Amino acid sequence: ETGVTQSPTHLIKTRGQQVTLRCSSQSGHNTVSWYQQALGQGPQFIFQYYREEENGRGNFPPRFSGLQFPNYSSELNVNALELDDSALYLCASSLVGEYSPLHFGNGTRLTVT
Amino acid sequence: DAKTTQPNSMESNEEEPVHLPCNHSTISGTDYIHWYRQLPSQGPEYVIHGLTSNVNNRMASLAIAEDRKSSTLILHRATLRDAAVYYCILRVQGAQKLVFGQGTRLTINP
Repeated sequence: ETGVTQSPTHLIKTRGQQVTLRCSSQSGHNTVSWYQQALGQGPQFIFQYYREEENGRGNFPPRFSGLQFPNYSSELNVNALELDDSALYLCASSLVGEYSPLHFGNGTRLTVT
Repeated sequence: DAKTTQPNSMESNEEEPVHLPCNHSTISGTDYIHWYRQLPSQGPEYVIHGLTSNVNNRMASLAIAEDRKSSTLILHRATLRDAAVYYCILRVQGAQKLVFGQGTRLTINP
């Protein structure tokens, strides 16, 4: 089975620009979530999608948005980039249910200058 | 979200057992205890989870205190590849999101 893959692995953007990060879920998984990990910190939950609908959101502003597609691939979009958005962005896929572990990709390292 | 408390760092030697503690005194009856680890330059990786009883799998064992206010992740025979940040997480029943703390940075000495 293929794991969770994310692209690109690294990205440099300028403050005020917009960025789209992509994720391909593990085969058969119907839920995808996104996390932001600042340097030296644990990952922070951004939001989650199930059946193409957002069904949970962390403490992130509306300029963070996402999409989930019928093939369970997903996008994270960030508008009006700020310097503090520099972080590792992680995608995780799973099946619905508290017994189901999350499978994480290796992330996209975003640097905002 | 219920909080967990872990030591910032721990050190052990290769081929010795490692006991990683976690305190979660505000745990509720329906919270599952999950452990993930994050190796350098990788995303977090699921290790093990439990509710009340001790659990074993091919990676580790999870010992849960009778009052559920603490737990211990046990690596029976550490290898250099076990060097990582280990996160103890309380996952609310029915919830998909994980609330990560700072974790414990485990160093394994050859």
